[in-house]
Amino acid sequence: KAGVTQTPRYLIKTRGQQVTLSCSPISGHRSVSWYQQTPGQGLQFLFEYFSETQRNKGNFPGRFSGRQFSNSRSEMNVSTLELGDSALYLCASSEGALDYEQYFGPGTRLTVT
Amino acid sequence: LAKTTQPISMDSYEGQEVNITCSHNNIATNDYITWYQQFPSQGPRFIIQGYKTKVTNEVASLFIPADRKSSTLSLPRVSLSDTAVYYCLVGEAAGNKLTFGGGTRVLVKP
Repeated sequence: KAGVTQTPRYLIKTRGQQVTLSCSPISGHRSVSWYQQTPGQGLQFLFEYFSETQRNKGNFPGRFSGRQFSNSRSEMNVSTLELGDSALYLCASSEGALDYEQYFGPGTRLTVT
Repeated sequence: LAKTTQPISMDSYEGQEVNITCSHNNIATNDYITWYQQFPSQGPRFIIQGYKTKVTNEVASLFIPADRKSSTLSLPRVSLSDTAVYYCLVGEAAGNKLTFGGGTRVLVKP
């Protein structure tokens, strides 16, 4: 089976812009979750989608949003970008809930200038 | 919400056993503990998960004492390729909140 894929792998944006990141889960996986990884804050959970519905949410402002399509592919959007949003954004997929084994993609490296 | 703390780094030698302890004082009864391995420029990779006592798989063991205030990942006979950052994660069964530790950078020397 192909692994989790994320596009693009690298992205440079300017403060105030918005960005959309994409994640394709492993075939058959219905849960997709998103994470932010920074040197200062480490790994933080953003949200999880299951069957096109946001099921769980971390402690991030409303500028961070996401959605999931009927084929389980997911997108994450960040509006009004801030310098502090520079990070590696990871998505993971699993067959069930968050306590199932999560399979991570390679991440999208976002740089905000 | 459980706060998780783990050592920043540790060194070891090939063939030795490496034990990494994660402290999570405020863990609830049904919360689970997961460990991940991460190499540079890659996403984390699942190693092992458990709720209590001991769990073992083909690559690692996870020890969780009765009070569940800490957990220890044990990597037997490490090799150079085990050099990576290891993260513990406490997942709340109620509410599904996830709290990662800050990561432990393990360097395996020849």
